[in-house]
Amino acid sequence: GNSVTQMEGPVTLSEEAFLTINCTYTATGYPSLFWYVQYPGEGLQLLLKATKADDKGSNKGFEATYRKETTSFHLEKGSVQVSDSAVYFCALSDMYSGGGADGLTFGKGTHLIIQP
Amino acid sequence: ETGVTQTPRHLVMGMTNKKSLKCEQHLGHNAMYWYKQSAKKPLELMFVYSLEERVENNSVPSRFSPECPNSSHLFLHLHTLQPEDSALYLCASSQEGSGADTQYFGPGTRLTVL
Repeated sequence: GNSVTQMEGPVTLSEEAFLTINCTYTATGYPSLFWYVQYPGEGLQLLLKATKADDKGSNKGFEATYRKETTSFHLEKGSVQVSDSAVYFCALSDMYSGGGADGLTFGKGTHLIIQP
Repeated sequence: ETGVTQTPRHLVMGMTNKKSLKCEQHLGHNAMYWYKQSAKKPLELMFVYSLEERVENNSVPSRFSPECPNSSHLFLHLHTLQPEDSALYLCASSQEGSGADTQYFGPGTRLTVL
């Protein structure tokens, strides 16, 4: 079956530090990969995505590259801000696992805390 | 309203109560989902509706009963719940067949079962 493994937090960094949140996956087919972010008291928001190997997703200074050879989709940002404090979820959608509309498989989430 | 909305945002109920969660999407999508988010656990997919037909039910107890009357609305009917059912319930929608796979989430309903 499909699974997503990501580093568990909390991860605490100082403002302007470099961020990496690791994510690896297992999938039976050809997954699309996603990072979602959840701010306190809110639902999940799509941060970025990549649909095939070597694609790079980017948004709001965050980047992640789809690495098929290492089955990874690590999230990076060069200089974090206090406003980036949130929970980050790595997820995959395997279009061949269920046929048609299919749920996402999520990691457990990484709580990121940015201190001023 | 835009995006995906959910009501109520917070719900406290006893184990003998019957209540319903509502989700509405304003994105013109044709697939909708219910997820359960519990502390320290990954999001769990509960139900999937595609073109208003249920296509997936991940072994969810029968005390949870979904309903999808049209492509814009999704309900989760609750009855005789247990305290361990306390969680954040998230609704999402997507456009099946677009190849984008992207799901858009509502803000969730925080459910507490006493």
